[in-house]
Amino acid sequence: QKEVEQNSGPLSVPEGAIASLNCTYSDRGSQSFFWYRQYSGKSPELIMFIYSNGDKEDGRFTAQLNKASQYVSLLIRDSQPSDSATYLCAVNRYGNQGGKLIFGQGTELSVKP
Amino acid sequence: DVKVTQSSRYLVKRTGEKVFLECVQDMDHENMFWYRQDPGLGLRLIYFSYDVKMKEKGDIPEGYSVSREKKERFSLILESASTNQTSMYLCASSPQADSPLHFGNGTRLTVT
Repeated sequence: QKEVEQNSGPLSVPEGAIASLNCTYSDRGSQSFFWYRQYSGKSPELIMFIYSNGDKEDGRFTAQLNKASQYVSLLIRDSQPSDSATYLCAVNRYGNQGGKLIFGQGTELSVKP
Repeated sequence: DVKVTQSSRYLVKRTGEKVFLECVQDMDHENMFWYRQDPGLGLRLIYFSYDVKMKEKGDIPEGYSVSREKKERFSLILESASTNQTSMYLCASSPQADSPLHFGNGTRLTVT
């Protein structure tokens, strides 16, 4: 089992729809969860982070965390063609020397006009 | 804004060459990381450092080494480049363990 798993997609949604991106993780001790967006040929950029169970909203984006189910998701409302990118889920893995982010393989999102 | 600068955007090297990838951050961050990114495999952690002169192996350290002589600079070294090290290399930094990472623009390395 991979430490952080995402559906690779592509996920295709029409413009204006809600895009739902999902991620599961295996380490029950993980405390920090991040969503990054990566356009083709570019480096990842942070969209949101969430530390507590429940929902966290920022503009059109909502992150949802359920630690009991080891599940984190990202909802994008009113999807735009400019949202077309690969979305990376990242989870903090703690060790003796602090934490490090472990990434899923990413979900490719395509928003059709 | 945090700036993480990678010295080269594109690099072409020959098999067996020693390769240095340089990364500098300007926000006094404690932690620095090197990842490689390959299609279908996502970002994989090679090495990270939580302090000057300290380094920790990530998930795929074989064939790589690192150096952190100054807080702002973290170098990735390929002792003897091989074709399977052709990849996109991403450097990142963060102020503390729970913080988001700030990424550089990446170095696309091709080993022929």
